Amino acid sequence: GAGVSQTPSNKVTEKGKYVELRCDPISGHTALYWYRQSLGQGPEFLIYFQGTGAADDSGLPNDRFFAVRPEGSVSTLKIQRTERGDSAVYLCASSAAGGPSEQYFGPGTRLTVT
Amino acid sequence: GNSVTQMEGPVTLSEEAFLTINCTYTATGYPSLFWYVQYPGEGLQLLLKATKADDKGSNKGFEATYRKETTSFHLEKGSVQVSDSAVYFCALSVGNDMRFGAGTRLTVKP
Repeated sequence: GAGVSQTPSNKVTEKGKYVELRCDPISGHTALYWYRQSLGQGPEFLIYFQGTGAADDSGLPNDRFFAVRPEGSVSTLKIQRTERGDSAVYLCASSAAGGPSEQYFGPGTRLTVT
Repeated sequence: GNSVTQMEGPVTLSEEAFLTINCTYTATGYPSLFWYVQYPGEGLQLLLKATKADDKGSNKGFEATYRKETTSFHLEKGSVQVSDSAVYFCALSVGNDMRFGAGTRLTVKP
């Protein structure tokens, strides 16, 4: 079946602009995660959804970052007033349940802020 | 807090060599431990996992044993192949908190 998909695969934006990154999880997966991966680093946790609600948003770096999952499936990560330091690969993962269940990762969106 | 420290790379080996990539962790509670792999041009995928102390995870000839006494989860393979060239990430989860190491790039030469 289809895996986790993310769009766009690449996004270039100017400093100060607003961007939205989309994640389509595996059908039926209730848990959805967003991570940020900078060059040479491992994924850094941003936010976790269980169903429609954000169960843990402690990884969001500041209030410019926000994510939604209104129907418990597709999720959108929103970044306001982008800064050059936001440049990274944004990864989405889903799992059948939270906790130690295997997470399935999407290919990521490479965001470049110029 | 929860964190993972893994051996810095890059690691370069000849085909059929023995591989060890070290991983140690710090965690509150009882973590589950994972190794993820990222092949060139592909997304992260789970390689193996262990959910409690003394468990051994294994897959594709790779093994790792959950050692609570040394807080370690070292990845090993007896004979690497060129196709094992990838970036390997050690990770832990406590509840819904998942933490990754920085990754170790492995290159296997024929």
